[in-house]
Amino acid sequence: GAGVSQSPSNKVTEKGKDVELRCDPISGHTALYWYRQSLGQGLEFLIYFQGNSAPDKSGLPSDRFSAERTGGSVSTLTIQRTQQEDSAVYLCASSLMGQNDYGYTFGSGTRLTVV
Amino acid sequence: SQKIEQNSEALNIQEGKTATLTCNYTNYSPAYLQWYRQDPGRGPVFLLLIRENEKEKRKERLKVTFDTTLKQSLFHITASQPADSATYLCALDNFNKFYFGSGTKLNVKP
Repeated sequence: GAGVSQSPSNKVTEKGKDVELRCDPISGHTALYWYRQSLGQGLEFLIYFQGNSAPDKSGLPSDRFSAERTGGSVSTLTIQRTQQEDSAVYLCASSLMGQNDYGYTFGSGTRLTVV
Repeated sequence: SQKIEQNSEALNIQEGKTATLTCNYTNYSPAYLQWYRQDPGRGPVFLLLIRENEKEKRKERLKVTFDTTLKQSLFHITASQPADSATYLCALDNFNKFYFGSGTKLNVKP
């Protein structure tokens, strides 16, 4: 597609429920990244994919968080048993691996609110 | 531990002046440093990348410097315009991913 697409754009969920956030990267981009941004804060790295594999999951805050990527394209970030502290904007970005000159292309994010 | 610091206070300047934003880091030795612009409700947008062996990079009204001794990058916008008002984030590479600062909000007043 023309850009990185994330869905849903907004999600309100009850504490304890599971949620799935989707990211559709730019076609041909081999690398995909998930970040989290809390109100007024910087971006917190969660996980990145090179193709379908995730060499670095070090940023996932707990074992309630997981992510997968299939076909080298769409990625899903799943949060199980959501807590109020999970409320944030979840941003996805993609890039051509090793092509730092062009930076990351970000989606507009999914705003997650846990009530 | 590794830290990236950007001034959390908003920078207010008059249209036409040069805006200078600072990014300091500790316990990193990044090979690359990037700057992004973020508008409310949107994801960050890539502006410039500078490598550790480059002292300065320019793109139109933007200029970035990278001092690996001081562990600091400066981001300049010359002839600033109200449309430049946004939050600007610096990002440092760390093993195939970038870590971001919390950003500095720039307000350019007409």
